[in-house]
Amino acid sequence: DSGVTQTPKHLITATGQRVTLRCSPRSGDLSVYWYQQSLDQGLQFLIQYYNGEERAKGNILERFSAQQFPDLHSELNLSSLELGDSALYFCASSPRAGVSTDTQYFGPGTRLTVL
Amino acid sequence: GNSVTQMEGPVTLSEEAFLTINCTYTATGYPSLFWYVQYPGEGLQLLLKATKADDKGSNKGFEATYRKETTSFHLEKGSVQVSDSAVYFCALRSGNTGKLIFGQGTTLQVKP
Repeated sequence: DSGVTQTPKHLITATGQRVTLRCSPRSGDLSVYWYQQSLDQGLQFLIQYYNGEERAKGNILERFSAQQFPDLHSELNLSSLELGDSALYFCASSPRAGVSTDTQYFGPGTRLTVL
Repeated sequence: GNSVTQMEGPVTLSEEAFLTINCTYTATGYPSLFWYVQYPGEGLQLLLKATKADDKGSNKGFEATYRKETTSFHLEKGSVQVSDSAVYFCALRSGNTGKLIFGQGTTLQVKP
């Protein structure tokens, strides 16, 4: 158990809908990262938050957004869903930002299926 | 840009065989290197890491050495078990960027 929790575990929805994925980082970790794992793209970094502020952006679509709250949990919002958004979404956390030696600890993931 | 290349899978071995999964990287500066493992139906778990050249990361019988001269971080295990069947990801993290850059993953299947 990494200490990172994600809810829900599975999500099935229809095209055009909007969903919210939730992540709670390990106790004491200030940085939260979101990754998408799909068969065609592999594991890709989406976005990072540090202590409530956006820190870095990757290949995140404009239809997707995220935020980190004062209690440090984070939410990833996916809107106008398309079939191609079906993937496993991982959240990870680490103590600090911008320290390449820090380990990122991953949650169990949310499997999103768009029908 | 930074990238990670892993050997193609799947890799199928018999129990107690020797394992090598090749990983090479391209990066500016001095990245930290990681191996993560994903068991079926689960999330990613850190297997081992190395943060500077010539460091050796090790865990659960797995080892990998950070070779700057060959830009490699190959994963090895002397004797694999059926329980090692999983997908293995090599990754790097460079400079002050937060993100991990992953290789495409290598599926390992160990048969009794």
